[in-house]
Amino acid sequence: DAGVIQSPRHEVTEMGQEVTLRCKPISGHNSLFWYRQTMMRGLELLIYFNNNVPIDDSGMPEDRFSAKMPNASFSTLKIQPSEPRDSAVYFCASSPSGDSRFFGSGTQLSVL
Amino acid sequence: EDQVTQSPEALRLQEGESSSLNCSYTVSGLRGLFWYRQDPGKGPEFLFTLYSAGEEKEKERLKATLTKKESFLHITAPKPEDSATYLCAVQSFGNEKLTFGTGTRLTIIP
Repeated sequence: DAGVIQSPRHEVTEMGQEVTLRCKPISGHNSLFWYRQTMMRGLELLIYFNNNVPIDDSGMPEDRFSAKMPNASFSTLKIQPSEPRDSAVYFCASSPSGDSRFFGSGTQLSVL
Repeated sequence: EDQVTQSPEALRLQEGESSSLNCSYTVSGLRGLFWYRQDPGKGPEFLFTLYSAGEEKEKERLKATLTKKESFLHITAPKPEDSATYLCAVQSFGNEKLTFGTGTRLTIIP
């Protein structure tokens, strides 16, 4: 298995632009998580899905952030409009149960 | 609200010098405590899950232990390739969310 696949690896954009991050979870995993990592706040859970249904989005910072999971093999995290304070590494993770999470390599987002 | 505190923030050891990393936690009801390793530019890599006080798990030079208030990650005779940031996280019952600590950055000097 190729593991959790995220794209792009790096994204540089200007303030106000729309940003879409993509994730392909490990086949057979029924839970998917989006995290954000910064030096100041560490790893924070933004949202998670179970069987493609959003369960808890309380970590989504504001309405500029949205996430979808149209099927079991694909999810997106969208930021519109982007702001410099959104600069961080965004990780997607999947899990076959409620236990271990398997993380992707992340997307390094820089908003100028 | 679940909380996790890791110490020290950073640790430098000579190759072969054993030590321990600490993870203190407060949680309403512990479902599991997780240890991850993170290398620069990569996502966290799962190491262990501990479920109850007294439980221990081992993997190569690493051993994780758990009490009702904290967990230790013991590293025995470390090698330079053990250099990484080690993250601890807790999960409460009835909640899929993992609450992470800010990690311990471990450097092993040859």
